[in-house]
Amino acid sequence: QSALTQPASVSGSPGQSITISCTGTSSDVGGHNYVSWYQHHPGKAPKVMIYDVSNRPSGVSNRFSGSKSGNTASLTISGLQAEDEADYYCSSYTINTHVVFGGGTKLTVL
Amino acid sequence: QVQLVESGGALVKPGGSLRLSCAASGFTFSDSFMSWIRQAPGKGLDYFSIISSTGDYTNYADSVEGRFTISRDNTKNSLYLQMNSLRAEDTAVYYCATVRYGQFDYWGQGTLVTVSS
Repeated sequence: QSALTQPASVSGSPGQSITISCTGTSSDVGGHNYVSWYQHHPGKAPKVMIYDVSNRPSGVSNRFSGSKSGNTASLTISGLQAEDEADYYCSSYTINTHVVFGGGTKLTVL
Repeated sequence: QVQLVESGGALVKPGGSLRLSCAASGFTFSDSFMSWIRQAPGKGLDYFSIISSTGDYTNYADSVEGRFTISRDNTKNSLYLQMNSLRAEDTAVYYCATVRYGQFDYWGQGTLVTVSS
């Protein structure tokens, strides 16, 4: 199963908004609404920021939002803050192998 | 609160074996599908195994099929990973996580496995 496609890196200045895309196929991202986004700071446990395409877990800032169009899911972070600098991964359910991850996107806050 | 604590990571020689454990608390472990995910140095997250809530269903990625075995003991709220025939490319931080339709709700802090002679 090929990984979902994410940009290797994105950057933005404090206060700006950025969007990270996650492109799959009709067998994964496009086939249902089980897409999640994770924030991963080095040395720490990954943290789910968005689940089921657009839902935020309790405690996650409303600056984080998720959406999907066709085979592409997106994570938008508004009002960028220094602590948002991290690696971000998407994952999707896929019937054959259960899970497929994106390759990860390094977010740099300038 | 939900806690997942991995243990058992170590330095092991190629061809060797290792058993990882994941102790769960703060949620109904016996109702949860569980998974192991790893991250090799400088690489992304790599899902490779899942086990059903009762343990009667398991699945593996091709990269570990036949070498790794996932199991659980619901009486001990524990998840396990038996790793045999270890290779250098298995060097990674190993995470356990709850999984629901391809989405990982809770993660442990990870345990480091290094395969080197």
